[in-house]
Amino acid sequence: NAGVTQTPKFQVLKTGQSMTLQCAQDMNHEYMSWYRQDPGMGLRLIHYSVGAGITDQGEVPNGYNVSRSTTEDFPLRLLSAAPSQTSVYFCASSYSAGIYNEQFFGPGTRLTVL
Amino acid sequence: TQLLEQSPQFLSIQEGENLTVYCNSSSVFSSLQWYRQEPGEGPVLLVTVVTGGEVKKLKRLTFQFGDARKDSSLHITAAQPGDTGLYLCAGPRGGAQKLVFGQGTRLTINP
Repeated sequence: NAGVTQTPKFQVLKTGQSMTLQCAQDMNHEYMSWYRQDPGMGLRLIHYSVGAGITDQGEVPNGYNVSRSTTEDFPLRLLSAAPSQTSVYFCASSYSAGIYNEQFFGPGTRLTVL
Repeated sequence: TQLLEQSPQFLSIQEGENLTVYCNSSSVFSSLQWYRQEPGEGPVLLVTVVTGGEVKKLKRLTFQFGDARKDSSLHITAAQPGDTGLYLCAGPRGGAQKLVFGQGTRLTINP
């Protein structure tokens, strides 16, 4: 199994450009999430999904859209990139939402917005 | 302000020394998790603690959940260079799927 995969690994955008960060998992996990990691702030939840067709907002959702048409894929869209969205983005998946919920993280996408 | 505060934020020690990292909150958590992250990779789960006062051991790593379930600690005995990394605590807030993370402790073990 490849686990959680993310593409691209690195991306540079200009302010106002749009792009989609791809995330896929092959573990048949129902739950998927997107986080951003900034220096000194740990990881912050952007959006999450509890199954195909169901998404909800996390702690910092503004400027980002998500959809979940299949169990495997959970893309994150930036509609109009801003310098404040420069960050490292991690996708994660988990089998359940129980108390021992283990999140499996992808390798991350490093995004720079100029 | 972070809901989960980790201290210290940076720690650099010599191989063989012991260390403790703390994760504190003013809020009660149903459970806390510890993750380790290496450069260029995503975090990897080390342990989940769920009962107040619970102690879990993972080889040279000892994790404790506070009696009031507001804090947790990670103690490493005889640290090795392979323990180097970013240690993150996390807990559910507003649903088991909605994790909040501490800001992390960056640990460096020097040979």
